[in-house]
Amino acid sequence: DIQMTQSPSTLSASVGDRVTITCRASHSISSWLAWYQQKPGKAPKLLIYKASTLESGVPSRFSGSGSGTEFTLSISSLQPDDFATYYCQQYNNYPYIFGQGTKLQIK
Amino acid sequence: QVQLVQSGAEVKKPGSSVKVSCEAPGGTFNSYGVSWVRKAPGQGLEWMGGVIPSFGTAHSSLNFQGRITITADESTSTSYMELRSLRPEDTAIYYCARTGGLWETQRFLQHWGPGTLVIVSS
Repeated sequence: DIQMTQSPSTLSASVGDRVTITCRASHSISSWLAWYQQKPGKAPKLLIYKASTLESGVPSRFSGSGSGTEFTLSISSLQPDDFATYYCQQYNNYPYIFGQGTKLQIK
Repeated sequence: QVQLVQSGAEVKKPGSSVKVSCEAPGGTFNSYGVSWVRKAPGQGLEWMGGVIPSFGTAHSSLNFQGRITITADESTSTSYMELRSLRPEDTAIYYCARTGGLWETQRFLQHWGPGTLVIVSS
């Protein structure tokens, strides 16, 4: 199985900050990576697919980059609504493993 | 907006089975796949498996080897996830999610159900 490693596990930041979350795959997954946001008690929400394609309706302050084994999710100017847990997921090969998650909390 | 409808919460005894359903009103499974993902308390998201109804194919994580069956009924646009030999650590919220399309490059999870709480306790 392909292993997905996210860092950091927890990130403390303030409104207006720019933050970056990293996701590394144990083998190349080309660009077949998605990012999701999950808030407590809610279903996950797709933010980005194919490593850098923004899902319809997602604010443009979210962006994704990378290919192969290293990927990043960036939020350019944090808004109060962005404090949540973020997950990457590879869909290059079964099983479609998720990263362990990054909890973005208010500093 | 695609709305997936999942079955209600369940309380099960260890060793028993649970079957969770996921319906896509309007018959929208024909050109998509469905994955099942769970979130246990204090844990991250775990991909359990998926099915491509049009292809009749299903895959599941080896973490559930022999315990999980994922199916889909195209006529009712409903997917089912059955988990057997339940353990207390299977207590989790179980989500279904529809993919972005039919092909491998579209298997990101675009639309999610609200989740079904399954509690396993004696």
